[in-house]
Amino acid sequence: AQSVTQLDSHVSVSEGTPVLLRCNYSSSYSPSLFWYVQHPNKGLQLLLKYTSAATLVKGINGFEAEFKKSETSFHLTKPSAHMSDAAEYFCVVSDRGNDYKLSFGAGTTVTVRA
Amino acid sequence: ETGVTQTPRHLVMGMTNKKSLKCEQHLGHNAMYWYKQSAKKPLELMFVYSLEERVENNSVPSRFSPECPNSSHLFLHLHTLQPEDSALYLCASSQDPGVDTGELFFGEGSRLTVL
Repeated sequence: AQSVTQLDSHVSVSEGTPVLLRCNYSSSYSPSLFWYVQHPNKGLQLLLKYTSAATLVKGINGFEAEFKKSETSFHLTKPSAHMSDAAEYFCVVSDRGNDYKLSFGAGTTVTVRA
Repeated sequence: ETGVTQTPRHLVMGMTNKKSLKCEQHLGHNAMYWYKQSAKKPLELMFVYSLEERVENNSVPSRFSPECPNSSHLFLHLHTLQPEDSALYLCASSQDPGVDTGELFFGEGSRLTVL
């Protein structure tokens, strides 16, 4: 069965410093991996996705993630945090073993300090 | 209007009430979804509709009853709910279900409080 584990429930960074959100996945097949972001009182929005092409994936708003099969990880990074990055971030996995249904992590809340 | 629209945004109901949540998508997608989002828990898939047919029902209690009259509209009818059903209910759409794209388009959710 597919699953994801987000290793941090909450991350706090200063504006202008790097952001790292950690995600490990489990999948019996070649997975597709995604990061979604949810700003307060909003729905979820796709940040980026990995679907077996380049292992380093660039997304919107300066975020990127690297697929590392040997480590079963898909960590999300951004070189310089902005106040507008304060939100909840979800790591998501899908594979053909579950008819490509999405399995969501529990989320990481990001706080950005001025 | 564009995207996925949900109404109402907030709903408070007693355990004996009957209410409905509405979702409308303006993206021309073929699949629509209901998810439940509770604090610090992963999103729970409740129902999936493809071309107005229900293709997934994730062991959801019968007090939740979905309806999809056409590919643009999705309802969630609520009756005799319990306090533990209080959550954010998210509607989403995608071009097709079960396709390896992963891109769902979400509405802003309906915040439900059951007293």
